Amino acid sequence: GAVVSQHPSWVICKSGTSVKIECRSLDFQATTMFWYRQFPKQSLMLMATSNEGSKATYEQGVEKDKFLINHASLTLSTLTVTSAHPEDSSFYICSAVDRRPYEQYFGPGTRLTVT
Amino acid sequence: RKEVEQDPGPFNVPEGATVAFNCTYSNSASQSFFWYRQDCRKEPKLLMSVYSSGNEDGRFTAQLNRASQYISLLIRDSKLSDSATYLCVVNDAGGTSYGKLTFGQGTILTVHP
Repeated sequence: GAVVSQHPSWVICKSGTSVKIECRSLDFQATTMFWYRQFPKQSLMLMATSNEGSKATYEQGVEKDKFLINHASLTLSTLTVTSAHPEDSSFYICSAVDRRPYEQYFGPGTRLTVT
Repeated sequence: RKEVEQDPGPFNVPEGATVAFNCTYSNSASQSFFWYRQDCRKEPKLLMSVYSSGNEDGRFTAQLNRASQYISLLIRDSKLSDSATYLCVVNDAGGTSYGKLTFGQGTILTVHP
């Protein structure tokens, strides 16, 4: 199946700093990518839908100025957590949609810890 | 009401047991349905899609009842390697919801020797 990578796989940062997470589709072009967040013992929650060349669509309750998404190419979307705080510590997972066949592939996730 | 609700679990079963998971969804316009499994600290992986006619993949059988908005997964002859969290996932209907997946909270399965 198709491969989606994320970088970094884990990151520890200090409160107030910004962190960028990359999501890449390695062997297919993805016009649509999704960003999810998963807190311990909870399920994945969709944060935003990222479409190549246009602004991301954020889910209700997700601050677009705090979670900056840039989908600059058909194989790369980035999520920047700005001014991170301990409550932003979570497992961030991206997925990319391959239209042929129509299927969504998940990246391995990025574990963010804010101290 | 949550959009996708699953059995709270957890399930602890011996090897060889048969175990069934249930799931209900609230959006009657939902288009497609899946079961994913997620291992600890890993991303979810597609286990199988769920079709109205019911479908089977080896030891796994999935059923969908659109009228009741109910999805099930049956695992026969459980293996130790089946231990994971099982996620019921629904894909909402078109428009801006293209590809948007809604996840249930997951049910933890532990298979013991």
